[in-house]
Amino acid sequence: DVKVTQSSRYLVKRTGEKVFLECVQDMDHENMFWYRQDPGLGLRLIYFSYDVKMKEKGDIPEGYSVSREKKERFSLILESASTNQTSMYLCASRTGGRTEAFFGQGTRLTVV
Amino acid sequence: AQSVTQLDSQVPVFEEAPVELRCNYSSSVSVYLFWYVQYPNQGLQLLLKYLSGSTLVESINGFEAEFNKSQTSFHLRKPSVHISDTAEYFCAVSDGGGYNKLIFGAGTRLAVHP
Repeated sequence: DVKVTQSSRYLVKRTGEKVFLECVQDMDHENMFWYRQDPGLGLRLIYFSYDVKMKEKGDIPEGYSVSREKKERFSLILESASTNQTSMYLCASRTGGRTEAFFGQGTRLTVV
Repeated sequence: AQSVTQLDSQVPVFEEAPVELRCNYSSSVSVYLFWYVQYPNQGLQLLLKYLSGSTLVESINGFEAEFNKSQTSFHLRKPSVHISDTAEYFCAVSDGGGYNKLIFGAGTRLAVHP
């Protein structure tokens, strides 16, 4: 069974903290994605990676960075967490443009 | 840049009634289109997809979607909904470009009432 695993289901962090969200996939997919999901806004793409060490900005990259040192792992980093980054974060992976993306269960991050 | 518009944020409907969830995308030379479903407190899962060929695609649980290139639409339909179809539905588009970006719409919350 294909699997995308996010390291935490729930996180509570303080304003100004550096936050790491980890995602691991076991399907040898080239492409990995980080989205945030907010009510009424759907899924908005933060960053994606099409290969190891390669990344592209999505629609809302401000305040975030990413790291992909190994093919199976894609990390989202909030350099200095702010309350407006409270959201559900979803990781996904897939092979190419014609294929479906597989999603993790999500991490609900609350910044206080 | 690609964009996806889901025209209805919420669709209430009675059980056994037909439903249509609308999706429009910005034009591109070649696109691949997807519908995902998110049941309450669950992750996203693929419902159906259009890659090429027949413009009408179907899912295993009775949903269908039609790709209309001239209207840049990919509306989702079901002739008779069930309570268990209550969920949020997301339309997504991937263009044929090199980076395989996958862009989602804002979602439509389908509420099926008895």
